[in-house]
Amino acid sequence: RKEVEQDPGPFNVPEGATVAFNCTYSNSASQSFFWYRQDCRKEPKLLMSVYSSGNEDGRFTAQLNRASQYISLLIRDSKLSDSATYLCVVTHTGGFKTIFGAGTRLFVKA
Amino acid sequence: DTEVTQTPKHLVMGMTNKKSLKCEQHMGHRAMYWYKQKAKKPPELMFVYSYEKLSINESVPSRFSPECPNSSLLNLHLHALQPEDSALYLCASSTLADFSGANVLTFGAGSRLTVL
Repeated sequence: RKEVEQDPGPFNVPEGATVAFNCTYSNSASQSFFWYRQDCRKEPKLLMSVYSSGNEDGRFTAQLNRASQYISLLIRDSKLSDSATYLCVVTHTGGFKTIFGAGTRLFVKA
Repeated sequence: DTEVTQTPKHLVMGMTNKKSLKCEQHMGHRAMYWYKQKAKKPPELMFVYSYEKLSINESVPSRFSPECPNSSLLNLHLHALQPEDSALYLCASSTLADFSGANVLTFGAGSRLTVL
């Protein structure tokens, strides 16, 4: 079993749709949690950190459930420019071992 | 423009060649990383340097040899690679200075390696 597992993609949604991505992690030593975005043939870039209290950044909302070892990302009012691969990322206690999930591909259509 | 600079952007090498990938950051980050990414796969951690010391080696074959000459530079020396080593090699850095707290990575644009 992979340490970080994400919904298989791709997700094909129309502009304006709301889409949710899920992620589970298996290592209880996981300490910090993030969503990264990666465009085709580009490097990953931080989208947002994920906190136990939940956090929101514009159209994006992230949630963490430590008891269930579950992370989510909600994108509201999808834009064409949201088309990318979304990577769920966890970091172990100690801070340096950063593990990426396989990613979920999102296509937003006009 | 990315704040982590990687060179070269593209590299083609034979299995008997010796080459190096270079990475530079001037953000004052004290942790630097090498990741390998194959097509349609996530980045896989290879090495982590903290304060110029190797702190993580994810059982990477010895044909990959990392080096951290100073806090701003990270090299990956390549020798006797195999065609299956062809991939995008990503360098990253982070501000994490001790063993606590969140660890946000800033990635370079990557070096795309082809081994013939």
